[in-house]
Amino acid sequence: DGGITQSPKYLFRKEGQNVTLSCEQNLNHDAMYWYRQDPGQGLRLIYYSQIVNDFQKGDIAEGYSVSREKKESFPLTVTSAQKNPTAFYLCATTPTGGYTDTQYFGPGTRLTVL
Amino acid sequence: RKEVEQDPGPFNVPEGATVAFNCTYSNSASQSFFWYRQDCRKEPKLLMSVYSSGNEDGRFTAQLNRASQYISLLIRDSKLSDSATYLCVVKYGGATNKLIFGTGTLLAVQP
Repeated sequence: DGGITQSPKYLFRKEGQNVTLSCEQNLNHDAMYWYRQDPGQGLRLIYYSQIVNDFQKGDIAEGYSVSREKKESFPLTVTSAQKNPTAFYLCATTPTGGYTDTQYFGPGTRLTVL
Repeated sequence: RKEVEQDPGPFNVPEGATVAFNCTYSNSASQSFFWYRQDCRKEPKLLMSVYSSGNEDGRFTAQLNRASQYISLLIRDSKLSDSATYLCVVKYGGATNKLIFGTGTLLAVQP
C-alpha cells in the first residue's frame, strides 16, 4: 500500500521542549517537503529536500531543523526556538523536483503547545 | 500584495447550483497552476491541474488567463460532497520549483 505516513496525528508539547515529527514515504519519490498551515493563511514552506543528504530552507525555516538520511524519511524537529509552533504540519512529496510534478500530501500532524 | 489571492468565502450554495471561484497571482513568471481540495482537518488533495487551453474533468472546469494573471474553477451541479476548501496553487520554475498556496475558498453546499 503506497503512500505517505505522518506520525503522530496529534502532538502536545510543553513550552521549551523540542519535538520531532515523522514523515515516511514508500512512493520512491525523490523530493520531500514540510509545510505548516495556520488558520486564515496558505500553506508555508518550512524545508525541502530534493535528494538524500541534501535539504534547503524554505520561507519560514527559523526554529526548525530537518534531516534526510534516507530517501524514505524526512523528519522535522520543532525546536524551542520556534516561537509560535502551534499549527497543522504537512509533509509532501513529488516524484522528482520537476515543476510539472504534483505534490502528494501526508495526513498531517497537529501540534499544540501547552 | 499576496502572491496568490483568493476570496475566502464562504460560498453557500444550494445543491445543483453552479459556482465559480477566481484566484489571482502576482508573479508573471509562474509556470504551473493547480486547484487542490482540502476537507476540514485533512490534507490537501489535487483536484486538477490548470492548462493554458482550459480543461474539464466531469463537473469541474478550470481556466487560466495568463494576460490577466488569474485562474478560475467552475463547479456545475454542486453536490453536498463538494463542500470543502478549494486551494489555488501556483508554481514557479527555476531552482526551487516552489509552490505558492492561496488561503483557500470555503464552499458549503446546502441541501
